[in-house]
Amino acid sequence: EVQLVESGGGLVQPGGSLRLSCAASGFTFSSYEMNWVRQAPGKGLEWVSYISSRGSTIYYADSVKGRFTSSRDNAKNSLYLQMNSLRAEDTAVYYCASLGRYCTSTTCATDYWGQGTLVTVSS
Amino acid sequence: QSVLTQPPSVSGAPGQRVTISCTGSSSNIGAGYDVHWYQQLPGIAPKLLIYGNSNRPSGVPDRFSGSKSGTSASLAITGLQAEDEADYYCQSYDSSLSGWDVVFGGGTKLTVL
Repeated sequence: EVQLVESGGGLVQPGGSLRLSCAASGFTFSSYEMNWVRQAPGKGLEWVSYISSRGSTIYYADSVKGRFTSSRDNAKNSLYLQMNSLRAEDTAVYYCASLGRYCTSTTCATDYWGQGTLVTVSS
Repeated sequence: QSVLTQPPSVSGAPGQRVTISCTGSSSNIGAGYDVHWYQQLPGIAPKLLIYGNSNRPSGVPDRFSGSKSGTSASLAITGLQAEDEADYYCQSYDSSLSGWDVVFGGGTKLTVL
C-alpha cells in the first residue's frame, strides 16, 4: 500500500524556519517525481515545489522562491522541504504527493497524496 | 486570484448531471498543456479523479468524465450521488515569465441537494 506521511509542522514565528519531512513507503520512491502542495485554511490548493526522481531538477512557485528548498534522500525514502523566512501567508496544510503512475505523453498527474501537516506562522 | 477560473459552487439533485468548468488562457490550457482534476472530500487530502484531460485512473467510476477544448476544460459528473459532495480542483501548467509553473483552479464546491 502506498503511504506518504508528512511530519515537522507546527507553530513558528514570522521570520522563523521549519523543516518538513515526508516518509514514503509501499512503492519505489526513487523512481517517482514529487510535489509539495499547500492549502491555506479554508482556501484552495497551491503548488509549492516539484522535484525530479533523482533530485536533479527542482522548481518552485514564485511565492516561495528563495525561501524554500526542496530535497530528497532516496536511500531513506524521504522528501524534505526546508522553509526559511516564514510569513503569515505561508500558514497552510502542506501535502507531499507523488507523480508518475498516471501520465500522458507530456505530463504526469499528482496521484498519491499524504495526509498533510499543518504549518502555522504567527507571533 | 487563481490562474485557472472555476465557478465557486455548483449543485444538483441525486441522479442529475453537473458540469464544472475550468477556464484558462493561451499560456496554460490554450498552450496545449494537460488538465488534471482532483476531488477533495471534507477534511482529507485530494484524490486524483481525471488525468490528461479525459482519462480516469483505475477505481474512478465512469460517472466522472473530463474534456478539454481551446482554453477551457470541463469535468462532468452523471448520476449524482450524495458521496460526490466535495470540492473539485482543476490543475494544469503555465509558461510564465519565471519559467514553468503548476497551476490550480480556485476550486468548486459541489452540493448534492
